Amino acid sequence: EDQVTQSPEALRLQEGESSSLNCSYTVSGLRGLFWYRQDPGKGPEFLFTLYSAGEEKEKERLKATLTKKESFLHITAPKPEDSATYLCAVFTSGTYKYIFGTGTRLKVLA
Amino acid sequence: DADVTQTPRNRITKTGKRIMLECSQTKGHDRMYWYRQDPGLGLRLIYYSFDVKDINKGEISDGYSVSRQAQAKFSLSLESAIPNQTALYFCATSDLSGQLYTFGSGTRLTVV
Repeated sequence: EDQVTQSPEALRLQEGESSSLNCSYTVSGLRGLFWYRQDPGKGPEFLFTLYSAGEEKEKERLKATLTKKESFLHITAPKPEDSATYLCAVFTSGTYKYIFGTGTRLKVLA
Repeated sequence: DADVTQTPRNRITKTGKRIMLECSQTKGHDRMYWYRQDPGLGLRLIYYSFDVKDINKGEISDGYSVSRQAQAKFSLSLESAIPNQTALYFCATSDLSGQLYTFGSGTRLTVV
């Protein structure tokens, strides 16, 4: 069964304290892995797409990486405005389905 | 203006009432989706439409119906609302690849 699991469920960091969020997946075939950011009361907003193992994408303090089993979202020197829920999703090649993880709630304290 | 607009933003309704959630988009995308989001369960697909004449059930379609009035408009109806349909509902659009989504800001629905 296709599955996406994100960890941890919640993470509290001090401003400037770097960390990583994990997204592990078990799918019949991966066409793409997506990271979204969701602020309270808003819809998810697209951050990155990764297509193959070894690929990396960066945007400001965020860097996403991909292996054959998981993806990491690295947050370097986070600021309070990085506080949000980060969602991971995969698009499968076998069933052409879009599967979301349950997200990691990140809180960055000043 | 937002690319994907959902109305209403918040709604409280009583059990047994019929309610419609509306979605309109200016992305020009053919593909539109309705999801619900519940704590701990993530986003789950209710219905999706690849064009005006193509409507498909998602994984949790029971108790819901949809209407695609035009390329830009996709409505979700709860025929007889029940409390476990209390959730955050999102409309989304995608390009032809079906991979990159643009979401609306959501409708918070409470059924009492």
